[in-house]
Amino acid sequence: DVVMTQSPLSLPVTLGQPASISCRSTQSLVYSDGNTPLHWFQQRPGQSPRRLIYKVSKRDSGVPDRFSGSGSGTDFTLKISRVEAEDVGIYYCMQGTHWPFTFGPGTKVDIK
Amino acid sequence: EMQLVESGGGLVQPGGSLRLSCAASGFTFSNYWMHWVRQAPGKGLVWVSRIDNDGSRRDYADSVKGRFTISRDNAKNTVYLQMNSLRAEDTAVYYCAKDGVDCWGQGTLVTVSP
Repeated sequence: DVVMTQSPLSLPVTLGQPASISCRSTQSLVYSDGNTPLHWFQQRPGQSPRRLIYKVSKRDSGVPDRFSGSGSGTDFTLKISRVEAEDVGIYYCMQGTHWPFTFGPGTKVDIK
Repeated sequence: EMQLVESGGGLVQPGGSLRLSCAASGFTFSNYWMHWVRQAPGKGLVWVSRIDNDGSRRDYADSVKGRFTISRDNAKNTVYLQMNSLRAEDTAVYYCAKDGVDCWGQGTLVTVSP
């Protein structure tokens, strides 16, 4: 199985400051059609996961533009330009290229 | 608006069975693969199974292969997960998700305990 790693696993952030989460895979995530199904999710306490970013860098409808994704191949990043209180939660990267699809272990973002 | 609603979770003894259901609305169900993902208490997300548009292809995680069966009824816009020979380690919230993972249900809790 493709193993997804994230760093850091815990990320205390000051309100208004930027945050960055790294995600790495043990295999290239480029699919045969040229797309890269690497997605980012936010899970707030007690809620279902919510997709924020799909195919590396495309923001989902309704997601604030302070969230951005980048990367290629095996190395990806989620950035929050200015953290707000509502951003508290666990963030997961996920690969949809190789079955079984796999998630990273999650990065817990909270406010300092 | 796309919506997925899971049901069927509960408390079951080791070795027992449960059938989960996931009712879809707001999109053309028969056009999409559907997935089951689980999350053990306090843990991360793990893919369980997926099924293609017409039910002809089904894939499973190794941990559930031979014990769980995914199926769908496109006339009822519903996907199912039949879980047999349940173990304590199957205890989790089970989510269904639409292909593309842009829509998730609220989850249903399965607890396997004596």
